[in-house]
Amino acid sequence: EPEVTQTPSHQVTQMGQEVILRCVPISNHLYFYWYRQILGQKVEFLVSFYNNEISEKSEIFDDQFSVERPDGSNFTLKIRSTKLEDSAMYFCASKKAWSATEQYFGPGTRLTVT
Amino acid sequence: DAKTTQPTSMDCAEGRAANLPCNHSTISGNEYVYWYRQIHSQGPQYIIHGLKNNETNEMASLIITEDRKSSTLILPHATLRDTAVYYCIVRPPEGDDKIIFGKGTRLHILP
Repeated sequence: EPEVTQTPSHQVTQMGQEVILRCVPISNHLYFYWYRQILGQKVEFLVSFYNNEISEKSEIFDDQFSVERPDGSNFTLKIRSTKLEDSAMYFCASKKAWSATEQYFGPGTRLTVT
Repeated sequence: DAKTTQPTSMDCAEGRAANLPCNHSTISGNEYVYWYRQIHSQGPQYIIHGLKNNETNEMASLIITEDRKSSTLILPHATLRDTAVYYCIVRPPEGDDKIIFGKGTRLHILP
């Protein structure tokens, strides 16, 4: 069964450094998402992406964040200058079509900012 | 904010049916009830969704009350692998595409 994959599984970085989290959505999916979950807290929506454009972003998704689909398979989340509070699990998700009901989530990348 | 209310945690014996309640008294006419779950350290996983009729798939059954103000997710024969946080989510069919997760119910399946 096709699945969303994410790399790396764990990323440790120093405060102020840039990080890029990578996701490979399911191959025929057209809608892509990033969510994050700070330890012990709720899963929070960050951004949705379709047709090479951001569809919607949350208040969390400020100028330090960006997303990109650099080729036909990868979907990336970049944090330009990481802060301690960016430490969280970051989940990528994808959906086949606008009318599709199910978002498929990846296993997540644990980001630790020291 | 999430438009649902769920118990913080529940226990269920292995092999028994797990019944997870959810209140969504402010649900609108075109909004669906979705259930996702999150096994520890994994990404959320879709379980089932419905509008007003009861639904069943290979994972679970969803019972929605006639007034649509509450619903129950039923795992018919719970196993230890069903231990997870279960999220009840109310969403429109189209338009607002993001998923707003609440705190969910932490379900413990006891051996």
